[in-house]
Amino acid sequence: AAGVIQSPRHLIKEKRETATLKCYPIPRHDTVYWYQQGPGQDPQFLISFYEKMQSDKGSIPDRFSAQQFSDYHSELNMSSLELGDSALYFCASSLPGQPQHFGDGTRLSIL
Amino acid sequence: QKEVEQDPGPLSVPEGAIVSLNCTYSNSAFQYFMWYRQYSRKGPELLMYTYSSGNKEDGRFTAQVDKSSKYISLFIRDSQPSDSATYLCAMSLNNAGNMLTFGGGTRLMVKP
Repeated sequence: AAGVIQSPRHLIKEKRETATLKCYPIPRHDTVYWYQQGPGQDPQFLISFYEKMQSDKGSIPDRFSAQQFSDYHSELNMSSLELGDSALYFCASSLPGQPQHFGDGTRLSIL
Repeated sequence: QKEVEQDPGPLSVPEGAIVSLNCTYSNSAFQYFMWYRQYSRKGPELLMYTYSSGNKEDGRFTAQVDKSSKYISLFIRDSQPSDSATYLCAMSLNNAGNMLTFGGGTRLMVKP
């Protein structure tokens, strides 16, 4: 079965640079979620979208923004990157009100 | 203190053992409870999903929710080396499509 696709799988950036992470949900899933998982930590919710509208907001820094496009894929834009932004970034998708299915994440390293 | 607490382990068991993984939580408003399995360098994989109190069984896995005690469990029967992974409990408020609050994860090692 098709799963959530995230790209790139790995990304290396320097401080103060920008990064864009992409997420392609499971076909027919119209809700996407972004989570950040630091080393040795559990995933922390950042933001979610339903039908291209922001549906919930968690601990997402103001330097980050995200959107969902007409084909339901989503992008997480990160600016003024800091060392502390180094983490695994997961995207998940679901049908409305149904459990979330996760991609394999983008590992972001800030040098 | 975290909203959802989970013993980090590692928990080491012999192949074939019954494994019990547990989470406690403080927010009585949580209604949807999930268990995810996460292998190294992979995303969390949904194992079990339950609503409110009760039991749910799926193959070798049984999930239990006791809302009165704010305690959830995942039992794995006939554990296999391939079950070695980190197990994350997760919960949400109004429906499973709300933001998830995770426990810290328990690392399980099943030895052949």
